[in-house]
Amino acid sequence: EVELVESGGGLEQPGRSLRLSCRASGFTFGDYGMSWIRQAPGKGLEWVGFISTTADGATTEYAASAKGRFTISREDSKNIAYLQMNSLKTEDTAVYYCSRVRLVGGDWYYFDHWGQGSLVTVSA
Amino acid sequence: DIQMTQSPSSLSASVGDRVTITCRASESISSSLNWYQQKVGKAPKLLIFAASNFQRGVPSRISGSGSGTDFTLTISSLQPDDFATYYCQQSYRTPWTFGQGTKVEIK
Repeated sequence: EVELVESGGGLEQPGRSLRLSCRASGFTFGDYGMSWIRQAPGKGLEWVGFISTTADGATTEYAASAKGRFTISREDSKNIAYLQMNSLKTEDTAVYYCSRVRLVGGDWYYFDHWGQGSLVTVSA
Repeated sequence: DIQMTQSPSSLSASVGDRVTITCRASESISSSLNWYQQKVGKAPKLLIFAASNFQRGVPSRISGSGSGTDFTLTISSLQPDDFATYYCQQSYRTPWTFGQGTKVEIK
């Protein structure tokens, strides 16, 4: 059974850094891209970024709100994806979900499995 | 960026009702449209990918259709388990973007 478990969230001050981890099990982690998606309290879903498989270069893509401050990486030997968040802002307060990205037919990407989420609160 | 607009933002319906949620993209996205269901306090769950393909385990009363800019999620006979918020999401081009959500409530 596919399982994704996020950790590392908590309360942090504006301007500080935080690293989230997403531990995967139940599938061959290295065969899949991974994404981070966040949800501010009472709001909708916002895609944060994506990392491709290592075989595809572990290339990354980011939302404008994350570019330059957030970095996604992966450690296939440990089945973990990371979200490094620097220069945190109060508007980064959200539940952060990691998800497995499925690619079908060479064209269609979708988030087929999600973790339970990790709450990040940025406040002085 | 591709903007995704859902309508309505919320709706009230009774068990057994037919429910339709619409999602419109700001430009053509072919069939690169996915639907997710989210219940309060839970992670989203994939329902439909590539506009009309069922994720394994999703009940057959839930279906998706559309291509280009206009898409629809239909629940043919609303069940108690279907009361939730639904999101569309385009994966045609990054940044991948979500609609604002449609909350389906009990009438």
